[in-house]
Amino acid sequence: EAGVAQSPRYKIIEKRQSVAFWCNPISGHATLYWYQQILGQGPKLLIQFQNNGVVDDSQLPKDRFSAERLKGVDSTLKIQPAKLEDSAVYLCASSFSGIETQYFGPGTRLLVL
Amino acid sequence: KNEVEQSPQNLTAQEGEFITINCSYSVGISALHWLQQHPGGGIVSLFMLSSGKKKHGRLIATINIQEKHSSLHITASHPRDSAVYICAVPYNNNDMRFGAGTRLTVKP
Repeated sequence: EAGVAQSPRYKIIEKRQSVAFWCNPISGHATLYWYQQILGQGPKLLIQFQNNGVVDDSQLPKDRFSAERLKGVDSTLKIQPAKLEDSAVYLCASSFSGIETQYFGPGTRLLVL
Repeated sequence: KNEVEQSPQNLTAQEGEFITINCSYSVGISALHWLQQHPGGGIVSLFMLSSGKKKHGRLIATINIQEKHSSLHITASHPRDSAVYICAVPYNNNDMRFGAGTRLTVKP
């Protein structure tokens, strides 16, 4: 079974630039999560989708971050414009439903200069 | 106070030592997850447990629901066990809270 796919794996941009990350969850998984993990901290949930609907985006900085999952499968997370403090690993995870195991992708490491 | 607290934050051990990482949480749960994160960012789920104890190879996880406490033990530690170990607790329907992680370094 293929795991959660993310791209790109690494991205370096200058502050005020825009960046987009892509996630393809495990086939059949209805729930998709985007997390931000700053060095030395645990992952922080940014947004959770159930199919193509948003369940929780309370910790998403909506002035610069946006995410979509238009067809209920792939998802895109965008930062526009990026700030230095956005440097982090952005993890995508998916689960079939409920609170069963979440499966994590390899993450996208973002460095904002 | 964080909803999920881990200790220690950093742990250095010699190869072969017995290791214990602790997790205390303040939110009500039905299950708790232990995750392993190697350098490079990839996260692997080690255990999901809701009571008692689970064992997988040299890894043992225990949980006490009443005391809201879980421990992850590594027997006969090896340098390849070096990673960040994260405790994660379901918070409400479909949400989770993560501890800050314990960075383990096992020296040969």
